[in-house]
Amino acid sequence: QKEVEQNSGPLSVPEGAIASLNCTYSDRGSQSFFWYRQYSGKSPELIMSIYSNGDKEDGRFTAQLNKASQYVSLLIRDSQPSDSATYLCAVNKGGSQGNLIFGKGTKLSVKP
Amino acid sequence: SAVISQKPSRDICQRGTSLTIQCQVDSQVTMMFWYRQQPGQSLTLIATANQGSEATYESGFVIDKFPISRPNLTFSTLTVSNMSPEDSSIYLCSVEETHNSPLHFGNGTRLTVT
Repeated sequence: QKEVEQNSGPLSVPEGAIASLNCTYSDRGSQSFFWYRQYSGKSPELIMSIYSNGDKEDGRFTAQLNKASQYVSLLIRDSQPSDSATYLCAVNKGGSQGNLIFGKGTKLSVKP
Repeated sequence: SAVISQKPSRDICQRGTSLTIQCQVDSQVTMMFWYRQQPGQSLTLIATANQGSEATYESGFVIDKFPISRPNLTFSTLTVSNMSPEDSSIYLCSVEETHNSPLHFGNGTRLTVT
């Protein structure tokens, strides 16, 4: 069975620090990878997508993909209290991009 | 990105009844999906809503329990039938706006079955 694993946390970092969130996946054939942010009581919001090995940067966020190690990570630089949320890693199962397997999420807490 | 509206946003229902959730998008989209997020759990895909034909269900989900319609490129419904407390969950409509674009979610429907 295809799986996506994340450390549930909580991960606590001080304001201004770098938060590092990690995710591993079981299906070596996966091609598309996503990070979603979910605030408590809200729906998931897409932060980053990554499709090829290496780093992809968008503002304070950097996604890293290593297909050989089946590993995806999200770095948040200059963490802010408003970044406090659950971060969901999602991996495409094949076919449509909407056909995703989600991890259980890592809860991030950024302390002022 | 497209604006995805779900109705109702929340409901409390009695066991044995059915609830239909509506999802309206403000523009035509390629694909629509229904996900479930049970308390303390991550998201699980229920089915792909196919325009003008029967939905494609994931393992563990069946049409009799979760009938889905998608009459056009902007609208879909999910019905949760013969509800039990185990159906208490957040149900999320999601869309792929264009082919192979990332998934975006509506605000969800929080369902409680008593």
